[in-house]
Amino acid sequence: GAGVSQSPSNKVTEKGKDVELRCDPISGHTALYWYRQRLGQGLEFLIYFQGNSAPDKSGLPSDRFSAERTGESVSTLTIQRTQQEDSAVYLCASSHERGSEQYFGPGTRLTVT
Amino acid sequence: AQTVTQSQPEMSVQEAETVTLSCTYDTSENNYYLFWYKQPPSRQMILVIRQEAYKQQNATENRFSVNFQKAAKSFSLKISDSQLGDTAMYFCAFMKLNQGAQKLVFGQGTRLTINP
Repeated sequence: GAGVSQSPSNKVTEKGKDVELRCDPISGHTALYWYRQRLGQGLEFLIYFQGNSAPDKSGLPSDRFSAERTGESVSTLTIQRTQQEDSAVYLCASSHERGSEQYFGPGTRLTVT
Repeated sequence: AQTVTQSQPEMSVQEAETVTLSCTYDTSENNYYLFWYKQPPSRQMILVIRQEAYKQQNATENRFSVNFQKAAKSFSLKISDSQLGDTAMYFCAFMKLNQGAQKLVFGQGTRLTINP
C-alpha cells in the first residue's frame, strides 16, 4: 500500500510569510507525528495526534507553529510569520497504534529567505 | 528528559568490512524501545532495527545487529559485510512507553560512507 506522503517536497518562502505543510498518513494509522530536522542534526519532536484525543503540542517551538488533523486523516502544519531559523526539513510519521513502528514520509524542505 | 548521544559524527569503511556505530542514552525509565534509523540522501527515514528494553537478547536483522547494554545505557549498531547501499546517515532513537505521546528522541546522527 501507499506510504506516508508529504507536500510540497520543497518550499521556498520569504521571511514573514505563512506556510502550510501537508501530511497524508498511511490509511488506518491512528497516530501521527510531526518532527523537524535542522541541517546536519537529528529530528526534534513537534506535535503528536492520536485518534480523537487532544494533541500533544509540547514540542512546538513557538506560538507561530500550529497543526491540525481531522480524524485519522490528513494533517497540516502551519507556520505563521516565518523566520530564517524555521528553515529545516519537516518530517511526518504515522503508526498503527501507540508504541508500534513509525513510518516516515519523505519530508518537506522549507527554506526561508 | 531523555537524551541520546552519538559520539561519531562521521565514519568511513571499505565495502565488505564490519562497522560499529555507537549510541548512548540517558533515562530514568525502565520500559522503553530503542531504534536505529537510516536516512539516505532521499531523506526517507527507514527503520533498520528495534530493541525492546525488557528483552535481554540482542536484536538482529540480517547483516544488522545491536549490542544492547541496559545497565551501561549503550546501544551500538553493527553492520556486517557492509555494502555501498549502506551509505547514509544513521540515527539512534529512544522511545519511552507510557501514556501520551510516544515520541522518538533522536541522537545527532552518524554519517556512514561505504567506499568501493
